[in-house]
Amino acid sequence: GNSVTQMEGPVTLSEEAFLTINCTYTATGYPSLFWYVQYPGEGLQLLLKATKADDKGSNKGFEATYRKETTSFHLEKGSVQVSDSAVYFCALSPTDKLIFGTGTRLQVFP
Amino acid sequence: KAGVTQTPRYLIKTRGQQVTLSCSPISGHRSVSWYQQTPGQGLQFLFEYFSETQRNKGNFPGRFSGRQFSNSRSEMNVSTLELGDSALYLCASSLGTDFSYNEQFFGPGTRLTVL
Repeated sequence: GNSVTQMEGPVTLSEEAFLTINCTYTATGYPSLFWYVQYPGEGLQLLLKATKADDKGSNKGFEATYRKETTSFHLEKGSVQVSDSAVYFCALSPTDKLIFGTGTRLQVFP
Repeated sequence: KAGVTQTPRYLIKTRGQQVTLSCSPISGHRSVSWYQQTPGQGLQFLFEYFSETQRNKGNFPGRFSGRQFSNSRSEMNVSTLELGDSALYLCASSLGTDFSYNEQFFGPGTRLTVL
């Protein structure tokens, strides 16, 4: 079946530090992969996506590359800001729904 | 363009009662899907509606049901509430039904507490 595993949090970083949040998936076929972000008190927002192997999604300084050989879609950012503090969800879609990981809370301190 | 709206934002019910949650999609969006978010189970897909038809359903008991109206607004209903139904219920809308290519826009959620 389809599933997503992402690293447990919280991840605590100082401002301007490098961020990696690991995400691996199990899927039949070739799903699209997503990162969503949930700020406190708000709904989910799409951060970036990739629809096929070797695609790189990017937005707001965040990047993730669809790696079919390692079934991974790790989220990275070169220099985090306090405003990046949120919960990040990795997700996949086999087309008919979104399947989410458990979420990783990121806390960035000045 | 107004985003996805959900009402009410907060709800407190007691065990055995039933509840109805409402979701108004972004104008022009015809697909509405619902998710349950809990600390223990994370985000889980409940069902999706498109053009008033349920297209897909997650692994939830029959106490969870939904419908979609001709204006694409959707409601979900939970009957015979249990303590474990306490959760944040999120609604998402999109233009089409292929989740791979149609961005899902999420509402702020309805926080349901069952006492």
